[in-house]
Amino acid sequence: SYELTQPPSVSVSPGQTARITCSGDGLAKKYTYWYQQKSGQAPVLVIYEDNKRPSGIPERFSGSSSGTMATLTISGAQVEDEADYYCYSTDSSIDYRGVFGGGTKLTVL
Amino acid sequence: EVQLVESGGGLIQPGGSLRLSCAVSGFTVSSNYMSWVRQAPGKGLEWVSVIYNSGNTYYEDSVKGRFTISRDNSKNTLYFQMNSLRAEDTAVYYCARARDYGGNLYYFDHWGQGTLVTVSS
Repeated sequence: SYELTQPPSVSVSPGQTARITCSGDGLAKKYTYWYQQKSGQAPVLVIYEDNKRPSGIPERFSGSSSGTMATLTISGAQVEDEADYYCYSTDSSIDYRGVFGGGTKLTVL
Repeated sequence: EVQLVESGGGLIQPGGSLRLSCAVSGFTVSSNYMSWVRQAPGKGLEWVSVIYNSGNTYYEDSVKGRFTISRDNSKNTLYFQMNSLRAEDTAVYYCARARDYGGNLYYFDHWGQGTLVTVSS
C-alpha cells in the first residue's frame, strides 16, 4: 500500500531552522499538506498545496516540494513550535484514500 | 465560526458496536466532503473513511464491512457506525471537513476535538 515516509524526530535549538521531510512516490503528481499536532490537541493545518500558508499561521512556516519529496521548513523555530508534524496526501493510485506520514516529533530546546 | 463537535465514544467490549456523532456548525455537511480520521494511543494519524457530497462513501481496508459513515442533513451531523469492534480499533476518532480541490482529491481544513473509543474486555 502507498506510504509517506518521515523521519521520527528532528531537534533544533530556538532560533534555528528546522526541516522536516516527507517522501512518497506520488508526491511528484499530488499536493502535500502539513499538519501540526500539539500534545492532547487536534491537528492544525499549517501548509496546504505544497507551499501555501493558511491565514493565522506564522510566516516562519513554509513548504516546498520537488519530485517525490516535500519539505516543511520552520525558520527561526520557537519553543511553542514543539509538536508532532504530519505530512498528508492522497494515495498515488486510489484517489479517495487519504494517507498520512508516520509523523515527526519536533523538539525545540 | 466553524465548529465540529464529536460525541459517542467510550469503553466497549470486543465485538460490540458504537455510533459516533459529529455535530457541525458554520458550514453545511451535505455540501462538503467529510471524513473520520483516527489516532491510536501514542501513534500517528490514520485516515479511516470519507463521504463525498455526492453521497459516495469509502473506507480504509481494515474497517470495510464493519464501519459505516453517514450524515443527517436535517441535523447537519456526520455519523460513524462502528460494528464488530476490535482491540486495534482503540483510538481517538476525529471528524474533519475534507476540502475538495478537484478530481475527488481532498485535504482536511477543519477538525473536531476528537472522541476516545476504547475496545477492551
